[in-house]
Amino acid sequence: DIQMTQSPSSLSASVGDRVTITCRASQSISTYLNWYQLKPRKAPKLLIYAASSLQSGVPSRFSGSGSGTDFTLTISSLQPEDFATYSCQQSYDSPWTFGQGTQVEI
Amino acid sequence: QVQLQESGPGLVKPSETLSLTCTVSGNSITNYYWSWIRQPAGKGLEWIGRIYTSGSTNYNPSLKSRVTLSVDTSRNQFSLRLTSVTAADTAVYYCARLADHCFDAWGQGSLVTVSS
Repeated sequence: DIQMTQSPSSLSASVGDRVTITCRASQSISTYLNWYQLKPRKAPKLLIYAASSLQSGVPSRFSGSGSGTDFTLTISSLQPEDFATYSCQQSYDSPWTFGQGTQVEI
Repeated sequence: QVQLQESGPGLVKPSETLSLTCTVSGNSITNYYWSWIRQPAGKGLEWIGRIYTSGSTNYNPSLKSRVTLSVDTSRNQFSLRLTSVTAADTAVYYCARLADHCFDAWGQGSLVTVSS
């Protein structure tokens, strides 16, 4: 299985901050990398697919970059509704695997 | 806009079978892959398996011996069965649509606790 490692596991930030989350794959996955936002008792939300493509309806303050083994999710100006857990996922090879998640908190 | 909703018992006894159904609304279930994903408390997401509307399946090898996915296109539903459950199977279970290599629509999740 391809292992996905996120860092940090949690971070504290304030409204307006620029936030960067990193995801590393245990082998090259080209750009088969997706990012999700998770909130308790809500449906997880796809933010970024194919490493850098913004899902329809997702605010432009979210962006993704990277290829191969190293990827980044950036929130350019953190908003109150962005406090959540973020998870990366590789879709290069089955079984699809996720990172352990990064909790963004105040 | 497609919506997914999980349903099923919230409590299952050890060694018994966990069964969940996902109802898809707002769009036909046909011509897509559909998946189940779970998240134990304090841990990351784990992909369980996927099913195409033809009935073709792929499972995570870690669960393959205990998992069965099925689909009912007439009801716009797909289902998960997980046998011989233990406390380690306690998790929030999500159903999701797999499209173009990403999970683009999810249900809100269903907490299933394995306990006697």
